[in-house]
Amino acid sequence: EDQVTQSPEALRLQEGESSSLNCSYTVSGLRGLFWYRQDPGKGPEFLFTLYSAGEEKEKERLKATLTKKESFLHITAPKPEDSATYLCAVQAWGGSQGNLIFGKGTKLSVKP
Amino acid sequence: DSGVTQTPKHLITATGQRVTLRCSPRSGDLSVYWYQQSLDQGLQFLIQYYNGEERAKGNILERFSAQQFPDLHSELNLSSLELGDSALYFCASSGQEDNSPLHFGNGTRLTVT
Repeated sequence: EDQVTQSPEALRLQEGESSSLNCSYTVSGLRGLFWYRQDPGKGPEFLFTLYSAGEEKEKERLKATLTKKESFLHITAPKPEDSATYLCAVQAWGGSQGNLIFGKGTKLSVKP
Repeated sequence: DSGVTQTPKHLITATGQRVTLRCSPRSGDLSVYWYQQSLDQGLQFLIQYYNGEERAKGNILERFSAQQFPDLHSELNLSSLELGDSALYFCASSGQEDNSPLHFGNGTRLTVT
């Protein structure tokens, strides 16, 4: 069964304290892995798509990496505005474009 | 702003009732997706439409149905509502290219009392 597990469930950081979020996945054949950010009361906001092991994508203080079993979202020198829930999702080959399997997310809090 | 519009933002109704949630996709997007987000289950894929036709089904209950109209807006109909149907319902749309990311609206919060 295709599955996505994110850890930790919650992470509290001080401003400037870098860390990483983990997304472990089991999928029959990975078509794409997606990272989203979700703010309270809002819909998920697209961040990155990764397609193959070894691939990396960066955006401001965020960098996403991918291996054959997991993905990491590295946050460098975070700011309070980075506080949000970060969601990871996978799309399997054979599934429809929108049939994403989401993890339950990591809730990140960055204190000034 | 993702460009995906959902109405209403909040909906409170009683068990046994029927409601309709509405979604307007981003300009130019032909695909519309519906997701349910509850505290214990996370985001769950319900159904996808592409240019008016049903493309894929996920964990959608028989009490739920959806459609996409010629102007590409979509509606999700929930009937015989139960307390457990209380959740956030998100609509998303995407472009036509393979692996185009999904862009989500801000959801409709449904409370069944």
